Amino acid sequence: DGGITQSPKYLFRKEGQNVTLSCEQNLNHDAMYWYRQDPGQGLRLIYYSQIVNDFQKGDIAEGYSVSREKKESFPLTVTSAQKNPTAFYLCASSIGLDRVAGYTFGSGTRLTVV
Amino acid sequence: KQEVTQIPAALSVPEGENLVLNCSFTDSAIYNLQWFRQDPGKGLTSLLLIQSSQREQTSGRLNASLDKSSGRSTLYIAASQPGDSATYLCALGAGNNRKLIWGLGTSLAVNP
Repeated sequence: DGGITQSPKYLFRKEGQNVTLSCEQNLNHDAMYWYRQDPGQGLRLIYYSQIVNDFQKGDIAEGYSVSREKKESFPLTVTSAQKNPTAFYLCASSIGLDRVAGYTFGSGTRLTVV
Repeated sequence: KQEVTQIPAALSVPEGENLVLNCSFTDSAIYNLQWFRQDPGKGLTSLLLIQSSQREQTSGRLNASLDKSSGRSTLYIAASQPGDSATYLCALGAGNNRKLIWGLGTSLAVNP
């Protein structure tokens, strides 16, 4: 079955440490996205990518970095510059950035600073 | 600036009741509107996608409508079941880069 796989499900980060969240899709989608979800707030876009080797900052990109070396993969690195990284992170994909594209989401990674 | 509001924030109903969830937005220039379901601690599941040229979409017991002129979408759930308990989110595709603009969701509890 096609879908999006996020790993790990739970991740713990020490102060000053960089961590990388994995996102893999086998849907042959061109566009991929990273969102952050906090209690009481709507989903906020961190980064998105329309095509391999290209990505754009979303609304809250500071302290995060991404790469898109393969169509299937869009890993997110939470750097030590992100001062409040504890949140639920969601990866999504769509056929493309066009009006007929629906979104498919992964099951999320919960990141906690310890 | 486009804003999305979902009312009510929380809803509790007895099993079997028909119910309506609301999603309102301030700018009618949208490309599409999607309804998602999120179970606690899980990712989002797409329920229905309505293109800007469409008025409604149906899937099983779910029916979503779109009225751009009034800035409103509704998600109708027929004959609700305890398994429908989840948070329901609406999201608009808008702007030049088609980024989604999210509501905060309605938390639904269907009681046996």
